[in-house]
Amino acid sequence: RKEVEQDPGPFNVPEGATVAFNCTYSNSASQSFFWYRQDCRKEPKLLMSVYSSGNEDGRFTAQLNRASQYISLLIRDSKLSDSATYLCVVNPSGTYKYIFGTGTRLKVLA
Amino acid sequence: DAGVIQSPRHEVTEMGQEVTLRCKPISGHDYLFWYRQTMMRGLELLIYFNNNVPIDDSGMPEDRFSAKMPNASFSTLKIQPSEPRDSAVYFCASSPSGGNLRQFFGPGTRLTVL
Repeated sequence: RKEVEQDPGPFNVPEGATVAFNCTYSNSASQSFFWYRQDCRKEPKLLMSVYSSGNEDGRFTAQLNRASQYISLLIRDSKLSDSATYLCVVNPSGTYKYIFGTGTRLKVLA
Repeated sequence: DAGVIQSPRHEVTEMGQEVTLRCKPISGHDYLFWYRQTMMRGLELLIYFNNNVPIDDSGMPEDRFSAKMPNASFSTLKIQPSEPRDSAVYFCASSPSGGNLRQFFGPGTRLTVL
């Protein structure tokens, strides 16, 4: 089983739609979680950290479920500019390492 | 402010040749990471340094790969000899010490080994 698993998609959604991605992780001792965004042929960039109580940043909401070992990302009112690959990142306890999922590709259609 | 700088941005070489990738982390960042990204395997951590010292190189695929960090502002990833399966995008990232663990990525080097 992979340490971090994501549905690769693609998710094709119309503008204005709400879309959600999930990501599961295998190491129950993982401490920190992030969502990164990667545009085609560009480097990954931090979208948001994921906190235990859940957190929101504008149209984006991240949730953590430790009992089931998954994190989620919800995007409301999708924009064309949200089209990208969304990478789930898990940080094992006690290290500075990142473990990346393979990414979920989102395409927002006009 | 300058972000993480990588060079070259693109490299095309022939099998058997030595390849050296370069990275300048963000000034003041204590951690430096080398990643490889392919379609099949996604982003994989190769090695990371703290204060110029290699901490974890368990992701380095084999002895053909080596990485150095001679000072706080420079690191290299060398492949010798290169093979076609090494073709990938290689990213360098840096991170400050402290609680938030955020990593900042460079633009990557796209390596093609013919």
